[in-house]
Amino acid sequence: GAVVSQHPSRVICKSGTSVKIECRSLDFQATTMFWYRQFPKQSLMLMATSNEGSKATYEQGVEKDKFLINHASLTLSTLTVTSAHPEDSSFYICSASDRIGNQPQHFGDGTRLSIL
Amino acid sequence: GNSVTQMEGPVTLSEEAFLTINCTYTATGYPSLFWYVQYPGEGLQLLLKATKADDKGSNKGFEATYRKETTSFHLEKGSVQVSDSAVYFCALRRQLTFGSGTQLTVLP
Repeated sequence: GAVVSQHPSRVICKSGTSVKIECRSLDFQATTMFWYRQFPKQSLMLMATSNEGSKATYEQGVEKDKFLINHASLTLSTLTVTSAHPEDSSFYICSASDRIGNQPQHFGDGTRLSIL
Repeated sequence: GNSVTQMEGPVTLSEEAFLTINCTYTATGYPSLFWYVQYPGEGLQLLLKATKADDKGSNKGFEATYRKETTSFHLEKGSVQVSDSAVYFCALRRQLTFGSGTQLTVLP
């Protein structure tokens, strides 16, 4: 079946560091990728939707200058958390979809980000 | 806007017990509905889906029926196993709106 690879799976770094998370679709062309954030024991919160070759659409309350999203190809999207602080510590999950319409998304395994 | 209301957890059952996790939704039109499962420390996996009214999605012994009249998509399994312990999310549409998740723990 379709596979989405997310890397790295875990990051621990100092406050002020910028962190890049990659999301790759391995066996299909992802026209759209989604980035979610999940706090402990809570649901997933959609942060932004990115379409290949265009600017990402951010959800209300998500700082676009803080969370930079690039979707330069049909198989790769990146999320960069700029100048990360402890409050950015969270579980970040990407997903990808290869069709228009009500098709299921394929999820990566998530990235656990811990900012010291 | 779209919203999903999901049965609050946590839910703790004994092995072989019957499971129901309730999910109701609010949306315009007839959205596709999904159940996702998240095992500890992992991303989400699609469990089952239904794309139109009265459709029944099923997988690994789990079932859910798309009920337009009650705007519901309740998840059921006749006999749970310890390996079913996970967090279950109900969601709608391609740009997914998630329920709050239900933590299920099955005791041997």
